[in-house]
Order: sequence, then C-alpha cells, then structure tokens
Amino acid sequence: DAGVTQSPTHLIKTRGQHVTLRCSPISGHKSVSWYQQVLGQGPQFIFQYYEKEERGRGNFPDRFSARQFPNYSSELNVNALLLGDSALYLCASSATGVQPQHFGDGTRLSIL
Amino acid sequence: TQLLEQSPQFLSIQEGENLTVYCNSSSVFSSLQWYRQEPGEGPVLLVTVVTGGEVKKLKRLTFQFGDARKDSSLHITAAQPGDTGLYLCAGPRNFGKGTSLLVTP
Repeated sequence: DAGVTQSPTHLIKTRGQHVTLRCSPISGHKSVSWYQQVLGQGPQFIFQYYEKEERGRGNFPDRFSARQFPNYSSELNVNALLLGDSALYLCASSATGVQPQHFGDGTRLSIL
Repeated sequence: TQLLEQSPQFLSIQEGENLTVYCNSSSVFSSLQWYRQEPGEGPVLLVTVVTGGEVKKLKRLTFQFGDARKDSSLHITAAQPGDTGLYLCAGPRNFGKGTSLLVTP
C-alpha cells in the first residue's frame, strides 16, 4: 500500500509569491495534518482536517490556509511568502484523527 | 500548548555504546509517540506509549512512559551506525525539538 505522498518534493519561490503544496493520505485515512519543520527543530503543527472539516489550527498567520477534498487529499496554501517560510512542510495522515500519524517525506520549500 | 522538552539536543557516540534520551513536560499526556527522522525524509513512528509506567521494547530500543504520564525515555542498547538520526517525541499535535544522534563506527 502506498504511504502518504506529497508533491512537489522541492520548490523554490521568491518573496511575495504564493505556493500550493499537495498531500495524498494513506488509503482509508480520513485525517490529514500539516506541519512546518525548520532545520534543526521539531515539526510545528499548522492544521488538521478530518472529514473535510478543520479540526485544529496552530499558531500560524492567516497567510497559511488549507483544505481537504472529498477524496481526503489536502492542499496547503501559503500567500505572500517570506524568507522565514523556508522549511520542510510535512503532511501526516491518520485513520481517525488521533494518534498515531504517518508522515510523508515532505516538501522542501526554499524562499529566495 | 503542551510543551515537550527533549534532552540532550545532540549526542555523538561510538558503535556499541548505550544511550538514553529524555522527553519531559509539565503537562499530562494521554499518549506519547516516539519518531525517528532521517535527513530528507519524514518522521517514522517507532512506538506509542499510553499507560503510565509502561515499558515497550523494539529490538535494541526500550521506551518508557513515566508513571505520571508527563515524561518518557528512550534507551538504546549497543548503538549501531544505522541508529543515527533525529529522535522526536510527540504528543497530540506537538513535537519536541528532537535529539540528534550520531553513531560512528
């Protein structure tokens, strides 16, 4: 069975641009969570969606938004990119919305 | 927010040595997870601990959940180079900063 898949794997943007990151959960998993991981740190929670409804939001500005589709895949959108948004963005899925979570390998976003 | 503090932040040891990493919080957790992350990859779940005082073993790795469910530890026996990576403890939606382990031959 396929694990959590994320696309693209790498992305380079410039300040002020916007970006859309995509995530496909493990088949049968209804919950998707997004995390930002800066080099040398643990992942920071951004959003959780379950059954297409937002279940939680971390301490991130409104420039960050997300949605979940009927097939449970998800998109993370970031507007007005800043240099500080450079990070590894991780998607995790779980069957019921609680632990444990299974992670994809992330999208490495670099802002120039 | 339930903060998780991990120690040590960095650990460099030689193959065959034993080590313990710690995860502490002032909050009570219903469960804690331990993950291992290698460069360029996402975290991989190692174990979930649920019951206070619980001990789980995964080959040479031993995980313990504190009696009060506020802390956890990971002990590795006879470390191998393949154990190199970032070890993360996590509660619901939050992670510690991780312990970066380097095992040299």
